Amino acid sequence: TQLLEQSPQFLSIQEGENLTVYCNSSSVFSSLQWYRQEPGEGPVLLVTVVTGGEVKKLKRLTFQFGDARKDSSLHITAAQPGDTGLYLCAGARLFQGAQKLVFGQGTRLTINP
Amino acid sequence: KAGVTQTPRYLIKTRGQQVTLSCSPISGHRSVSWYQQTPGQGLQFLFEYFSETQRNKGNFPGRFSGRQFSNSRSEMNVSTLELGDSALYLCASSLLGGDGAAGLFFGSGTQLSVL
Repeated sequence: TQLLEQSPQFLSIQEGENLTVYCNSSSVFSSLQWYRQEPGEGPVLLVTVVTGGEVKKLKRLTFQFGDARKDSSLHITAAQPGDTGLYLCAGARLFQGAQKLVFGQGTRLTINP
Repeated sequence: KAGVTQTPRYLIKTRGQQVTLSCSPISGHRSVSWYQQTPGQGLQFLFEYFSETQRNKGNFPGRFSGRQFSNSRSEMNVSTLELGDSALYLCASSLLGGDGAAGLFFGSGTQLSVL
């Protein structure tokens, strides 16, 4: 059973469209991170959200942490081909006395010119 | 500041062999985590080292082991390789580790193919 469910798993849209990616769980996380990974490279941290209800913006990307700190969303406005990649959410939670990061399966996004 | 460096980038091995992967974290980072990434399973946590001690461990068989040196560099070893071990192995460093708010800095990974 995946602790963090991301949806959709695959998304292919045209340049200029808007999109939202979701990251859901039944568990509460102390914080949640979003990463983007390009082919042949490791994931790169985009943002960390810590407070329930928190909204962070990174240019055309808007990240929101759910009020109950169980879910998060990533919204991209006017998508560009450069946004293409694998988007991963990762939640931090206490496990056996230590903080542990759990990753979702990822959303593979393709922006077509 | 140099990023996380992983060597080698690509590796081809045959079943039954063993392999050692290397990771140099960002200068000053004391925590190194290792992940296995496959198309089917996504990113799976292997283990985390902090100040030369294994602090956290995922659900992988004992064939997977690691260590960290006094300069924070880390190695992971996989013995008796199986076909299913083919994957991208990612190393990530962080200042203190474990604390999700700090974020992880990943290397480019080692692509391991087991034939």
